[in-house]
Amino acid sequence: AQSVSQHNHHVILSEAASLELGCNYSYGGTVNLFWYVQYPGQHLQLLLKYFSGDPLVKGIKGFEAEFIKSKFSFNLRKPSVQWSDTAEYFCAVAQTGANNLFFGTGTRLTVIP
Amino acid sequence: KAGVTQTPRYLIKTRGQQVTLSCSPISGHRSVSWYQQTPGQGLQFLFEYFSETQRNKGNFPGRFSGRQFSNSRSEMNVSTLELGDSALYLCASSPQGAQINYGYTFGSGTRLTVV
Repeated sequence: AQSVSQHNHHVILSEAASLELGCNYSYGGTVNLFWYVQYPGQHLQLLLKYFSGDPLVKGIKGFEAEFIKSKFSFNLRKPSVQWSDTAEYFCAVAQTGANNLFFGTGTRLTVIP
Repeated sequence: KAGVTQTPRYLIKTRGQQVTLSCSPISGHRSVSWYQQTPGQGLQFLFEYFSETQRNKGNFPGRFSGRQFSNSRSEMNVSTLELGDSALYLCASSPQGAQINYGYTFGSGTRLTVV
């Protein structure tokens, strides 16, 4: 069965610090990869997604993620975080062609002004 | 255009009762998926409906069921509620249910508390 691991449960950073959130998945086939964000009191929103091609994917609000197939990883990065990035971040995986997502347990990011 | 609408937003039920949650997808979206979100487990897939047919089901007991109507609106039902069913239940819709790469749009969820 597929699984998604997000090793950091809670990350606390100061504004302007760089961010990297880890995501590893277990599935040997072709996958589609996603990062979603849930701001306090808001619904889940798609940050970025990877299907094929360039393994470095750029999303909204300056976020990017790199797919490393050999490591089964899809880590999320941002060079300089802002207070408004405080949110919960979820990595998700789907088999190519499937219509359900497997989510990680999420990483809560707190950015201190 | 209107987003995914879930009703009610909050619900408190007693153990043993049953509950029905509703989801109206974005107009034109035919696929509706349901997820359970809890602090310890994250988001777990419940089931997915497309054109009134359940196409996928997650690993939840039979107390969890759902259906989809001809207008794509969906309901999920939980019978014989247990304390562990307390969670945020999220609905997501997508335009082409066959492939996830079209992306989900999530609703704000229904917060169910079982006491």
